[in-house]
Amino acid sequence: LAKTTQPISMDSYEGQEVNITCSHNNIATNDYITWYQQFPSQGPRFIIQGYKTKVTNEVASLFIPADRKSSTLSLPRVSLSDTAVYYCLVVQGAGNNRKLIWGLGTSLAVNP
Amino acid sequence: NAGVTQTPKFQVLKTGQSMTLQCAQDMNHEYMSWYRQDPGMGLRLIHYSVGAGITDQGEVPNGYNVSRSTTEDFPLRLLSAAPSQTSVYFCASSYAGAGTQYFGPGTRLLVL
Repeated sequence: LAKTTQPISMDSYEGQEVNITCSHNNIATNDYITWYQQFPSQGPRFIIQGYKTKVTNEVASLFIPADRKSSTLSLPRVSLSDTAVYYCLVVQGAGNNRKLIWGLGTSLAVNP
Repeated sequence: NAGVTQTPKFQVLKTGQSMTLQCAQDMNHEYMSWYRQDPGMGLRLIHYSVGAGITDQGEVPNGYNVSRSTTEDFPLRLLSAAPSQTSVYFCASSYAGAGTQYFGPGTRLLVL
């Protein structure tokens, strides 16, 4: 079973690029990597999902090296409103056999 | 669409009382799950369901019951509340496979 490990906290400043890395050493061939964002008093919200190489959407990029033992969520030019907790999730299997391996979250503080 | 709704938003119980946390989704998702979130421990899966009539235990099922009589609803029952069950509870739903999970706004439970 994969285990996901991510930094507990990170600090940044407005306008900077922020990269949050998650380790998932025992990831299997068909597992997906997903990232969620959570603001205080709200449920987590999907940001991005990928399987390999690079995925980009309107809010973030996800970089996954060839060995897939880690992944990096990249937030370009953060603002104060990006202050949140970011969770890495490995999705193993599908249907009745689906397992979700959550990281403990990285608390990102964006300073002015 | 309302997405995933949870009631109540906040509840105070005395030790030994029972209650049901409600969760409903209007996206016709097969997969629904309940999490608890405690400081420093991330999201821990309590129970999940891959479809109406099918439920299974997650990581921390003791003290909780679930049922899934319809696709839309997935209530979580606390049989005899204990202070250790003080937490924030999130319900989530998704399509089967590696589908994006949609979370409800959460229920904050305090057991005295």
